[in-house]
Amino acid sequence: ETGVTQSPTHLIKTRGQQVTLRCSSQSGHNTVSWYQQALGQGPQFIFQYYREEENGRGNFPPRFSGLQFPNYSSELNVNALELDDSALYLCASSLGGTQVDTQYFGPGTRLTVL
Amino acid sequence: AQSVTQLDSQVPVFEEAPVELRCNYSSSVSVYLFWYVQYPNQGLQLLLKYLSGSTLVKGINGFEAEFNKSQTSFHLRKPSVHISDTAEYFCAVSDGTDSWGKLQFGAGTQVVVTP
Repeated sequence: ETGVTQSPTHLIKTRGQQVTLRCSSQSGHNTVSWYQQALGQGPQFIFQYYREEENGRGNFPPRFSGLQFPNYSSELNVNALELDDSALYLCASSLGGTQVDTQYFGPGTRLTVL
Repeated sequence: AQSVTQLDSQVPVFEEAPVELRCNYSSSVSVYLFWYVQYPNQGLQLLLKYLSGSTLVKGINGFEAEFNKSQTSFHLRKPSVHISDTAEYFCAVSDGTDSWGKLQFGAGTQVVVTP
């Protein structure tokens, strides 16, 4: 069974640029959630995708957007990068369709904005 | 909205000593509770979860947690720690009212195990 994978591992961008992060969900999972973890803090929920549709969003501006593909992999896009966007971005996959879902996390993408 | 409070930001502990990490949550409605561990430069690994049933939950690596509804707490314990338990531990709650399994995390507790 393949776990959750994310790419790239690390990324350095400058303010104003755009970035795309990628996530492959665990085999059999149709739901992907994205979290932002700033240094020294707990992860914060960005949004969730279920069967290619957004299924809930946290308190993040519209410049954070996402996609889910038919194979349930997902992308997180961030436009007009700001210094505060520097963080570890975590993707989690789950079976979906139930409130008792357990999320399984990938290793994360470390984004640095200069 | 849910909130999760981890009462200790850092817990130093000697090898083979017991450790308890404290977690309190805000809601009185039905909740699902989780503990995750994060080793340096890695993602989150699920230690254990409480969904329903017995209030004492056993997880991986010898960890256990007790759900206390009246005190809205979900404290994590291990009777004897190893050097390899040095990591950041996160308590998380899902209240089932929003996205499936959406998690609200605490700020984390850094456990440092010394010989």
